[in-house]
Amino acid sequence: QKEVEQNSGPLSVPEGAIASLNCTYSDRVSQSFFWYRQYSGKSPELIMSIYSNGDKEDGRFTAQLNKASQYVSLLIRDSQPSDSATYLCAVSSGGGADGLTFGKGTHLIIQP
Amino acid sequence: DAGITQSPRYKITETGRQVTLMCHQTWSHSYMFWYRQDLGHGLRLIYYSAAADITDKGEVPDGYVVSRSKTENFPLTLESATRSQTSVYFCASSESTYNEQFFGPGTRLTVL
Repeated sequence: QKEVEQNSGPLSVPEGAIASLNCTYSDRVSQSFFWYRQYSGKSPELIMSIYSNGDKEDGRFTAQLNKASQYVSLLIRDSQPSDSATYLCAVSSGGGADGLTFGKGTHLIIQP
Repeated sequence: DAGITQSPRYKITETGRQVTLMCHQTWSHSYMFWYRQDLGHGLRLIYYSAAADITDKGEVPDGYVVSRSKTENFPLTLESATRSQTSVYFCASSESTYNEQFFGPGTRLTVL
């Protein structure tokens, strides 16, 4: 059974600070890792993808992957109130036709 | 417009009625997916399709039927709607099982 675990939160972070979101996954053969942002009442929106160990930066977002620890994280620098949303971690394992396995998401609140 | 669309966006129906939710994508992605999202459960995969005329069950397929006669369309039918099928339904597509999925805007379905 493939599992992706996230702390449901809410995670409350002051405006301007760094928000750190974490995700662990169970399937060791996982190859692709994604972070989605979902605003209330909206569909999930892809914000980051990462495929190899290390860090990947895109603007204020940094994704970090450690395959040995089966751990993925998302850092949001200079957090803004508009970053308040639920963040979903998704993992692709072994190429099964059922695609990605999603975590249940972490609810992030940026306090002005 | 390019992208993935769903219709209707909102639907209210009664127990026992048949309902079809439509999904259309313009990217010519091979893979398409149907999810439902409920509070506390996250995204749950209902059905998926690897290509036209190839479909398979996901985590929660009972009470649903899909078809895929054309690559771009992937309708989801509730044969006899039940109150437990009240949910938000998302369609998604991807190039491969290793790639990110792109989501449609969702259909909010209420079964009375």
